[in-house]
Amino acid sequence: SAVISQKPSRDICQRGTSLTIQCQVDSQVTMMFWYRQQPGQSLTLIATANQGSEATYESGFVIDKFPISRPNLTFSTLTVSNMSPEDSSIYLCSADGGQPNTEAFFGQGTRLTVV
Amino acid sequence: QKEVEQNSGPLSVPEGAIASLNCTYSDRGSQSFFWYRQYSGKSPELIMFIYSNGDKEDGRFTAQLNKASQYVSLLIRDSQPSDSATYLCAVNVGGYQKVTFGTGTKLQVIP
Repeated sequence: SAVISQKPSRDICQRGTSLTIQCQVDSQVTMMFWYRQQPGQSLTLIATANQGSEATYESGFVIDKFPISRPNLTFSTLTVSNMSPEDSSIYLCSADGGQPNTEAFFGQGTRLTVV
Repeated sequence: QKEVEQNSGPLSVPEGAIASLNCTYSDRGSQSFFWYRQYSGKSPELIMFIYSNGDKEDGRFTAQLNKASQYVSLLIRDSQPSDSATYLCAVNVGGYQKVTFGTGTKLQVIP
């Protein structure tokens, strides 16, 4: 199983600013995923990041708001841009298990509060 | 219709009882099914995964899959207060595709 280190674990940010969240995996993985979990809600997929290509965004999420980088097979970043209080959520990165149909593993999450 | 549906609960069971958590999914092409446990304020952690019809047991946990009925369940035997958490059902349609999560069922184990 993959171990994913995500940072920061939490942050309080001013509206209008941007925050970049980093995820480091201890092994090479094909796909990395970024989720948002709003208070009391389940996980909503923001985008899928494949190394060497642009991220694929889910309906309701756009690159200008959530730019993603995936420079190699062990690392990805998600930026939350021009933040508003509505962006206050837990953001989670996830990676596939290295083989098709294997379970996804999660980072520790980033608890973001926008004031 | 939601892709993955769960009863939000809370489901309350006494300590030592069997907790039964249920999940239905809409995509008949789904191939992989996962149960995650999430404690408040923490990330989800994998409990079980199942790919084939039938039962899969791991300690106190049993996952059950019925692809014909598009139904997957998680049984927790000898429930403990430490099992109190939200349980998320997740489904993968195959390959390196995204995992879709249900809304989760909150389980409360009463001492």
